[in-house]
Amino acid sequence: AQSVTQLDSQVPVFEEAPVELRCNYSSSVSVYLFWYVQYPNQGLQLLLKYLSGSTLVKGINGFEAEFNKSQTSFHLRKPSVHISDTAEYFCAVILSGGSYIPTFGRGTSLIVHP
Amino acid sequence: DGGITQSPKYLFRKEGQNVTLSCEQNLNHDAMYWYRQDPGQGLRLIYYSQIVNDFQKGDIAEGYSVSREKKESFPLTVTSAQKNPTAFYLCASSIDSGISYNEQFFGPGTRLTVL
Repeated sequence: AQSVTQLDSQVPVFEEAPVELRCNYSSSVSVYLFWYVQYPNQGLQLLLKYLSGSTLVKGINGFEAEFNKSQTSFHLRKPSVHISDTAEYFCAVILSGGSYIPTFGRGTSLIVHP
Repeated sequence: DGGITQSPKYLFRKEGQNVTLSCEQNLNHDAMYWYRQDPGQGLRLIYYSQIVNDFQKGDIAEGYSVSREKKESFPLTVTSAQKNPTAFYLCASSIDSGISYNEQFFGPGTRLTVL
């Protein structure tokens, strides 16, 4: 069974600073990787996904993530954050050829200070 | 506009009562899911359904029940057997349950509080 670890439960950062939210997974087979964002009292929406091909994936709102197979990581980055990026971010993994049900990490709360 | 709707947004229940949370989608998705979200615990899968009239238990199905009589609807009943039902409930759907790489689309959620 796969697992997903989001190493930081909370990441405080100042506006216009860069940010990295970390995600590691455990799996011996190929995976599909996703990052979702959840604004307060709302559902999740997809930020970006990695299915195959280029390991650098660009998503909405200026976010990007890099798939690193050797380190089993899929860290999310943004070069300059805005107050409006304050939200909960979830990493999710689906095993290739396995169950289509994603495994979610516990989430990272990004708090952007003015 | 296509999407997923959940109702009500807020729900209050007395102990011992059953309540039903609504989830409707007009995306023509085959698969639908129910998750429970508690602070610091991420999303935990309650039930999921791949096709009409069929559904499977997720990781925390005890105290919950579902039905899938129509493709677009997947209501969740929180029964009195659920010991700690206060939580945020999210419904999701995806295009084709047989293709493993499809992302999920989420509804806005229902916050259930037991008084």
